Amino acid sequence: KNEVEQSPQNLTAQEGEFITINCSYSVGISALHWLQQHPGGGIVSLFMLSSGKKKHGRLIATINIQEKHSSLHITASHPRDSAVYICAVLGEVTDKLIFGTGTRLQVFP
Amino acid sequence: DTAVSQTPKYLVTQMGNDKSIKCEQNLGHDTMYWYKQDSKKFLKIMFSYNNKELIINETVPNRFSPKSPDKAHLNLHINSLELGDSAVYFCASSQLGGYNEQFFGPGTRLTVL
Repeated sequence: KNEVEQSPQNLTAQEGEFITINCSYSVGISALHWLQQHPGGGIVSLFMLSSGKKKHGRLIATINIQEKHSSLHITASHPRDSAVYICAVLGEVTDKLIFGTGTRLQVFP
Repeated sequence: DTAVSQTPKYLVTQMGNDKSIKCEQNLGHDTMYWYKQDSKKFLKIMFSYNNKELIINETVPNRFSPKSPDKAHLNLHINSLELGDSAVYFCASSQLGGYNEQFFGPGTRLTVL
């Protein structure tokens, strides 16, 4: 079992829908990252958070440290949001990122 | 201006060969990383350097040797390439360790025949 689990693995949506991607982890962490990998392969950091909630445009990330769970929400989804979204946790002791297996999102017009 | 660059973008080579992948960042970051993304798209850290000093060395075969000539560069040399080394290799950088946003290079797709 991976130390970082994401659900769902695959997600399809119609343009305009509200999207939620979940991340659960089993290790002590000092921070959690959400990354986006474009269809072309490039990886972009979306958020780094250690508590509470952060918002950038239509993207919202939340984390509950006690429950070892984070969610990434996309409001008013658009086809250009189609990508793989990857959760990664920064180990408390090791200071290295441990990655989830990713969630592949496809948004159709 | 490209923040984190890698060369080459694609690398196709025969088993047993030695190859290098270069990485450069112009962000002034102190920490650089190499990650491997396998065929199932799973990312895993290989190495981390902070100011030219090796910080993280995951259980990577010693055929893989990172070299950091200065804090803006982290190159990856691979000896005696094997089929299982085929993957996409990403370089990344951040300010002072993992508790900061990481900026990724475009990746190098290595295919070993």
